[in-house]
Amino acid sequence: SAVISQKPSRDICQRGTSLTIQCQVDSQVTMMFWYRQQPGQSLTLIATANQGSEATYESGFVIDKFPISRPNLTFSTLTVSNMSPEDSSIYLCSAVGTAEAFFGQGTRLTVV
Amino acid sequence: KQEVTQIPAALSVPEGENLVLNCSFTDSAIYNLQWFRQDPGKGLTSLLLIQSSQREQTSGRLNASLDKSSGRSTLYIAASQPGDSATYLCAVRGYAGGTSYGKLTFGQGTILTVHP
Repeated sequence: SAVISQKPSRDICQRGTSLTIQCQVDSQVTMMFWYRQQPGQSLTLIATANQGSEATYESGFVIDKFPISRPNLTFSTLTVSNMSPEDSSIYLCSAVGTAEAFFGQGTRLTVV
Repeated sequence: KQEVTQIPAALSVPEGENLVLNCSFTDSAIYNLQWFRQDPGKGLTSLLLIQSSQREQTSGRLNASLDKSSGRSTLYIAASQPGDSATYLCAVRGYAGGTSYGKLTFGQGTILTVHP
């Protein structure tokens, strides 16, 4: 199994600012993903983080709003840009090694 | 487009009961299915992974079955305990081709409360 460290665990941010969330996996994994979980909802995939190249975004999510980096096999960042209260959610990093998906503890973001 | 439905949305049981959570999906061409547990405000903990060629998986008091042809999976929890209280999520992974994995599609979850 893979252990995923995600930070920060929570933050309260002012609207119009940006927050970068970091995700570190303790072993090499094939794929990394970023999800959003809005209050009372299930998880929605934001994008697949590709090593050394641009992330692959799902419908409704764009790079300007959610820039993602993955410089190596075990580390990725998600930035939530120009935040508004609608961005208040839990953001989760996920990694897949040998078909099983693992998740970080999530970042609870509140935008005021 | 894959859609995943979980029934019931919420379940409250007394301690010691055996219970079944249900998950159905619309596209049977799945790579695997996972059951997760999520505590309030936390991330997801993987409980069981069932590959598309498997019928069931067991871990302790948990047993998950998969009927791919009918698009159904069940999670059976034996002798429930208050510590089992959490949201249980079912997720299916499709195929992406080559060496990459398709994305996970999640159900809405079942909120389980086990009271002493």
